[in-house]
Amino acid sequence: AQSVTQLGSHVSVSEGALVLLRCNYSSSVPPYLFWYVQYPNQGLQLLLKYTSAATLVKGINGFEAEFKKSETSFHLTKPSAHMSDAAEYFCAVSWNSGNTPLVFGKGTRLSVIA
Amino acid sequence: DAGVIQSPRHEVTEMGQEVTLRCKPISGHDYLFWYRQTMMRGLELLIYFNNNVPIDDSGMPEDRFSAKMPNASFSTLKIQPSEPRDSAVYFCASSFGTTSESSGANVLTFGAGSRLTVL
Repeated sequence: AQSVTQLGSHVSVSEGALVLLRCNYSSSVPPYLFWYVQYPNQGLQLLLKYTSAATLVKGINGFEAEFKKSETSFHLTKPSAHMSDAAEYFCAVSWNSGNTPLVFGKGTRLSVIA
Repeated sequence: DAGVIQSPRHEVTEMGQEVTLRCKPISGHDYLFWYRQTMMRGLELLIYFNNNVPIDDSGMPEDRFSAKMPNASFSTLKIQPSEPRDSAVYFCASSFGTTSESSGANVLTFGAGSRLTVL
């Protein structure tokens, strides 16, 4: 079965440090890839999406992600963490250009230490 | 648009009771999804609709769960009878369907969720 794996259920970084959240997917078919963020007691919000136009995708709040087909990865990065980035981050994948439902990873909780 | 509206935000009930969760999708969106979020299993797709028609309900845990979408602006997820293991946050999401390569797969807009606790 096709799946999405997020390495590390909890990542802790210092304010101002690099943020790296890892996502790998299982498929030989080029997927559509997404990162969503969930703040406490809220629904998920779209951070960015990859749709084959460019391998490096820029999203909101200074986040970006790079699609690496050879590594089947779509890791999320931000050069400098801010306290407001503390949240849960979900990688999601769809394997068709149509509206097949997204498959979500289990999420990574990001903590930012002052 | 007010976004995807879910009610109730919180529900506490006793085992055996019927629970109904409601969702109003974004106007004009033709896809609606119900997800369940738990610590153990993460986000699981329960069922999704296209133009009010259920497309895939293979994620519905068992016959105690049912979902309907009587019109484009309303959907319900019902659990009868409820059990403690049903305790979770239930999310509704909607999207505007497209097969355009420039936009790729649909982008989901989520509601704030309904937190269900079954005692």
